[in-house]
Amino acid sequence: GAGVSQSPSNKVTEKGKDVELRCDPISGHTALYWYRQSLGQGLEFLIYFQGNSAPDKSGLPSDRFSAERTGGSVSTLTIQRTQQEDSAVYLCASSLVRYRETQYFGPGTRLLVL
Amino acid sequence: AQTVTQSQPEMSVQEAETVTLSCTYDTSESDYYLFWYKQPPSRQMILVIRQEAYKQQNATENRFSVNFQKAAKSFSLKISDSQLGDAAMYFCAYRGYNTDKLIFGTGTRLQVFP
Repeated sequence: GAGVSQSPSNKVTEKGKDVELRCDPISGHTALYWYRQSLGQGLEFLIYFQGNSAPDKSGLPSDRFSAERTGGSVSTLTIQRTQQEDSAVYLCASSLVRYRETQYFGPGTRLLVL
Repeated sequence: AQTVTQSQPEMSVQEAETVTLSCTYDTSESDYYLFWYKQPPSRQMILVIRQEAYKQQNATENRFSVNFQKAAKSFSLKISDSQLGDAAMYFCAYRGYNTDKLIFGTGTRLQVFP
């Protein structure tokens, strides 16, 4: 079946602009995760959704970052007033249910802030 | 807080040979999950193998196997009969039994030479 999809694949923006990154999880997966992979570093957790609610937002680096999920499916990660340090690959993952299920990742969105 | 350490930034192996990637972690939990993910240049994070901490038997998936040493908090990945397609970044990850987020190491870049 179809895996996790993300769009756009690549995004170049100017400092100070807002960007929206989209994630389509695997059909039927109730849990959705966002991670950030900065150049030369591992992945860091940003936010987690169970259904449409976000029980864990602990990884969002600042109030410029927000995310929502609608219909228990598509999620959008929004970065307002982008800064150069926001340049990274943003990865989305989904799992069938929370906790003990394996997370399956999308191909990511590479964001470059000029 | 849990941490994951991958002390080998880069490794190389010749085709058909065996290579072992190291991972250590720190946790006070007794039940948890450990994962190895592969990230080729396409950026897609692909699950290689998963180990439940309560299982004493080491997980195996075809040419991939792990050496899980719970007391030593070590979780190494052995790749047998290495193939050119195995070249990628490999990330070790930890997840608590009743937690949502994955905690990743910084990755090991594996090169495979013909």
